[in-house]
Amino acid sequence: EIVLTQSPGTLSLSPGDRATLSCRASQSVSSNSLAWYQQKPGQAPRLLIYAASSRATGIPDRFSGSGSGRDFTLTISRLEPEDFAVYSCQQHGGSPPTFGQGTKVEFK
Amino acid sequence: QVQLVQSGAEVKKPGASVKVPCKTSGYTFTSYYIHWVRQAPGQGLEWMGVINPSGGSTNFAQKFQGRVTMTRDTSTSTVYMELSSLRSEDTAVYYCARVRSSSWYEAFDYWGQGTLVTVSS
Repeated sequence: EIVLTQSPGTLSLSPGDRATLSCRASQSVSSNSLAWYQQKPGQAPRLLIYAASSRATGIPDRFSGSGSGRDFTLTISRLEPEDFAVYSCQQHGGSPPTFGQGTKVEFK
Repeated sequence: QVQLVQSGAEVKKPGASVKVPCKTSGYTFTSYYIHWVRQAPGQGLEWMGVINPSGGSTNFAQKFQGRVTMTRDTSTSTVYMELSSLRSEDTAVYYCARVRSSSWYEAFDYWGQGTLVTVSS
């Protein structure tokens, strides 16, 4: 099973700041099959990025994904108030799919 | 529009079973695999398993083997997840989620709203 480790655990930023979130896999992720989700309290996760760098339908272009192999990054170019949430990565290259423990982006 | 609608919260006693429905609409039911993911309070997301709504085949996380069943009803476009021998550690929000394309393992583009299952004596 591929273990995903996200860092940092918490990111304290202000609106307008740039956010850089990391996801490191215990082994290479097949076909760069890495997704990012946003989750707000009491809500289901929302798909932001799939296949490491492809934005899901309706996702603003301030969200971007990059990386390959074992190291992946989600970047939010300029934080909007609605972007403060928990972000989780997921590898979907094979069984079992696994998730990282999440990074919380909070108001500074 | 694509929708996955789950049932309301459940409270169960240790040792009991829970069966959570996920009613889908807005797309061809048999064309997309449905996964189940759970989230314990304050914790991360945990994959439980997947069902192929077309033929009914399944694959489960090793942790849940022998305790989880996933079925589907093509007449109502509904999938079900049943977890047995419940214990307090199974207290969590259970989500169904649809894959983004016609592959077993893909990102999840649509999610149910979640069903809170509380296991308590």
